[in-house]
Order: sequence, then structure tokens, then C-alpha cells
Amino acid sequence: GAGVSQSPRYKVAKRGQDVALRCDPISGHVSLFWYQQALGQGPEFLTYFQNEAQLDKSGLPSDRFFAERPEGSVSTLKIQRTQQEDSAVYLCASSFQGVGTGGVYGYTFGSGTRLTVV
Amino acid sequence: QKEVEQNSGPLSVPEGAIASLNCTYSDRGSQSFFWYRQYSGKSPELIMFIYSNGDKEDGRFTAQLNKASQYVSLLIRDSQPSDSATYLCAVNINNKLIFGTGTRLQVFP
Repeated sequence: GAGVSQSPRYKVAKRGQDVALRCDPISGHVSLFWYQQALGQGPEFLTYFQNEAQLDKSGLPSDRFFAERPEGSVSTLKIQRTQQEDSAVYLCASSFQGVGTGGVYGYTFGSGTRLTVV
Repeated sequence: QKEVEQNSGPLSVPEGAIASLNCTYSDRGSQSFFWYRQYSGKSPELIMFIYSNGDKEDGRFTAQLNKASQYVSLLIRDSQPSDSATYLCAVNINNKLIFGTGTRLQVFP
């Protein structure tokens, strides 16, 4: 597609509910990243993939967070048993470069999913 | 110490002035540096990236990098009200971009 597409745009979840957030990167982009952005803060790294391989998940805040990219294209971020502190905008970004190539030409971000846990 | 630090602002400048946004980082091994602009309620969009010490100019924007001082800045010349946004500094650390908290810029007519 022309850009990074994320769905849903908004999600309201009751505390304890499981949610799944989808990211469809730019066609052909090798690397895919998930970030969490709380109000008034910069994006915080969660995890990234190169093709279908999850190379770094050091930013996932707990084992309730899980991400996958099984075919190296679309990715899903799943949050189990949501809690109020999970309320944030979840941003997906993609890059045509593979990681570790010695340079990163920046990422293209999707519009994000705003998650509100009530 | 945070990996990437920015003054949260707001930085208020009059229309037509030069806005100067600053960022420091902790990882001496970092090689690439980015400035993103984020309008309220929108996602970050890339403005510039810089790899080498010195200045890099693109239209009204100039990025400056000083690796010895671990400092990167963004200058916006002839600031316009439409430049009012949050400016995020990002540094490539361990193959991923680490962002600062952003500086909010307000350009008033």
C-alpha cells in the first residue's frame, strides 16, 4: 500500500479484556517496529521484526504483550488482560532497510491505534 | 540518564524568527540521528536525518551534529505558524530508533 495502515484507529477495552492491534506496512518494507506513545511523551520502543523474525522485544513492558509477523508482512500486537496503564497510542512503523545494515533512513509511521482501557 | 534528552518546552518564537531545537544523547556509538515533527493527534513524520558531523540543510531546516559533544540540533529559519508542533529527536541505538520526549514549538503571528 501507499502508507503504513493501522487498525482499528480507536479501541476502547474494558480492564481485563484482550485486544489485538493490526499493522499493514508499506509493501516491500523489510523492517517493522511497534512503539507505545503515552500522552505528552515520545514514542517508546516495544519490539521490531526483520521479515518474520522478531529480533528485539526488549521494550515489551510485560508478558501480557505479544507481537507477531508470521509471513513477514502484516503484524499484530496483542495485549492480554488489559490494564489502565496500557492506555496509549500504539504506533507501527516500517522501513525498507533491514536492521544492522549500518544505517537507518528513518521510518514511516502509521496513524496509530489509540487504546483506552476503562 | 535518559538515552535521548530534549527540553519539553514550549519554545515560543515569533513568525519569521529562527527556532532552535536541541537534543543530547548518551550512546557514543550512535551513528544516525533523526528529527521528526508531530502535530497534535497525528503520527510522527520524518523531517531530516544526519550521519556526519557538521550541518545539513534542507530548505528552511538545518540539522547540526556534534558527535564529540553528543549533541544534535534542528534550526528552523523563517518560522511559520504552521511549524507549530512537537519536534522529536531520535537516535539509532542498537538498530532501533530511540526517541526523546519531544520539544513543543509554538510560532506566534
